[in-house]
Amino acid sequence: GAGVSQSPSNKVTEKGKDVELRCDPISGHTALYWYRQSLGQGLEFLIYFQGNSAPDKSGLPSDRFSAERTGGSVSTLTIQRTQQEDSAVYLCASSRTRTGGVNIQYFGAGTRLSVL
Amino acid sequence: AQSVTQPDIHITVSEGASLELRCNYSYGATPYLFWYVQSPGQGLQLLLKYFSGDTLVQGIKGFEAEFKRSQSSFNLRKPSVHWSDAAEYFCAVGAGSNDYKLSFGAGTTVTVRA
Repeated sequence: GAGVSQSPSNKVTEKGKDVELRCDPISGHTALYWYRQSLGQGLEFLIYFQGNSAPDKSGLPSDRFSAERTGGSVSTLTIQRTQQEDSAVYLCASSRTRTGGVNIQYFGAGTRLSVL
Repeated sequence: AQSVTQPDIHITVSEGASLELRCNYSYGATPYLFWYVQSPGQGLQLLLKYFSGDTLVQGIKGFEAEFKRSQSSFNLRKPSVHWSDAAEYFCAVGAGSNDYKLSFGAGTTVTVRA
């Protein structure tokens, strides 16, 4: 597609429920990132996928958070047993394969998650 | 690990006036530096980046930024602001062996008054 696509754009859920957030990266981009943007905060790195390599999960805040990337393209971020503090905008980004330099990350519009 | 500070939470500027947004980073060597803009309900759009070379970089929408190593700064400027520049601006840094993990400042919200 022309840009990074995220769905849903908004998600309201009840505390304790599981949610899945989807990211469809730019075609041809092999790297994919998830960030979380809490109210009044900058973006917080969550997880990074690069091709078939093991993902860097070092930013995931708890074991309730997990992510997968199927077929090297679409990614799903899953939050189990949601808590109110999980309320935030979840942003996905993608970039080309890194070849000796830093990648430029292109961001989607995000999913606004509200946990009641 | 690197960190980024954007000292100004909110700036109000008149249309046609100049704008400068401050960004300071903490890192021992020269990092990769970015400015992104986020309009309401939108994702982040890259305005400009600095990797190496000329310390004054030009970006889209008439923005420019200057990397000053001595001050660990990467301030964003625009000579004449348009109402459409009202948005939130984020400075970001990528550094070291994990430079894909961008560190973002908390953002500066820009309001443009007529």
